[in-house]
Amino acid sequence: AQSVTQLGSHVSVSEGALVLLRCNYSSSVPPYLFWYVQYPNQGLQLLLKYTTGATLVKGINGFEAEFKKSETSFHLTKPSAHMSDAAEYFCAVSDLGGYNKLIFGAGTRLAVHP
Amino acid sequence: DAMVIQNPRYQVTQFGKPVTLSCSQTLNHNVMYWYQQKSSQAPKLLFHYYDKDFNNEADTPDNFQSRRPNTSFCFLDIRSPGLGDAAMYLCATSRVAAWGQKGDTEAFFGQGTRLTVV
Repeated sequence: AQSVTQLGSHVSVSEGALVLLRCNYSSSVPPYLFWYVQYPNQGLQLLLKYTTGATLVKGINGFEAEFKKSETSFHLTKPSAHMSDAAEYFCAVSDLGGYNKLIFGAGTRLAVHP
Repeated sequence: DAMVIQNPRYQVTQFGKPVTLSCSQTLNHNVMYWYQQKSSQAPKLLFHYYDKDFNNEADTPDNFQSRRPNTSFCFLDIRSPGLGDAAMYLCATSRVAAWGQKGDTEAFFGQGTRLTVV
């Protein structure tokens, strides 16, 4: 069965510092991987996705993630944090059943302080 | 510009009183999903529709039902809400490859409905 593990339920960074949110997955076949962001009392917004091809993917708001098959990882990074990045971030893997069903990690709450 | 619209954004219902949450989409996607997200937890899939075909997740309680009268609309019915059903309910859509049509790989989410049970 597929699963997603996000290391660190809470991450706190200073404004302007590097953001690194960790995600590891388990899948028997090459996965489709996603990062979503959720602001308080809002739905989920797609930041970026990896399906095939280039392993470094760029998303919205300056975020990027690198798919590393050997490490079964898909960590999310941003070179310089902004106050507006404070939110909950979810890593997800697409279910193998073919209906784009998502299996989410537990989430990481990012706090950005001045 | 809204593509997946959920109404209402906030819903308060009484313990045991049936409640319906609604979702509409303008994307003409063939798959619609309902996810339940309890406080400080990850979203969890309840069920999905592929066109009119209903697919229940194995651990979705019988208390939850869904209807999809047409491509654009999908409803979540909670027959007898309990305190444990208080959560954010997220509707999402996706376009899965069908005969002669290309699919997509991502799901688009609505803003969610926050359900409170009193």
